[in-house]
Amino acid sequence: QSALTQPRSVSGSPGQSVTISCTGTSSDIGYYNYVSWYQQHPGKAPKLVIYDVTKRPSGVPDRFSGSKSGNTASLTISGLQAEDEADYYCCSYAGSYSWVFGGGTKLTVL
Amino acid sequence: EVQVVESGGGLVKPGGSLRLSCAASGFTFSSFTMNWVRQAPGRGLEWVASISSTATYTYYADSVKGRFTISRDNAKNSLYLQMNSLRAEDTAVYYCARVDNWNPHYWGQGTLVTVSS
Repeated sequence: QSALTQPRSVSGSPGQSVTISCTGTSSDIGYYNYVSWYQQHPGKAPKLVIYDVTKRPSGVPDRFSGSKSGNTASLTISGLQAEDEADYYCCSYAGSYSWVFGGGTKLTVL
Repeated sequence: EVQVVESGGGLVKPGGSLRLSCAASGFTFSSFTMNWVRQAPGRGLEWVASISSTATYTYYADSVKGRFTISRDNAKNSLYLQMNSLRAEDTAVYYCARVDNWNPHYWGQGTLVTVSS
């Protein structure tokens, strides 16, 4: 049950694109296509922005996209906006009704 | 509208017990696996426990195994987390989340548990 590995912070200017990586193992990200990403603003609950590696829930802008290669998943946010500044967490199903989260990445919009 | 609302948090002494509740509405509660996830102050998210739709399966993070018990009452659309032998490191905001196809999707606003003497 080791946490997934994310960069502690990333930054970008408005209009630019940023990518946040999330590295796991062959038992979680590498095995299941059940990777989700969450946006969390200070003092708020996490909000789902990507599920099943690449899918966006209704209402999430198409500026948010997800991908996976091997044991690493990625979240890309294009056309950065001020309101995208938040903490982002990845999550993967790890089998047997267990899940593992990443340590979180703080996105700063410069 | 899908809603899950946590309650039952508070201040408890080390070694004490607390029972959290999560009230669900806007969906067929008995059809979904549910999770408890926690977030210590200034820290990241940690999966705590899960329970299958009919409570056939329950699983726990190693950090709480043997101390916490997840349960549900489908007739009352409610999820519970019984927390015993609480430690300072259990201090966190506890969220319940509905799981959709193995993705934790809908989250509540959380309830704060503080373990301190």
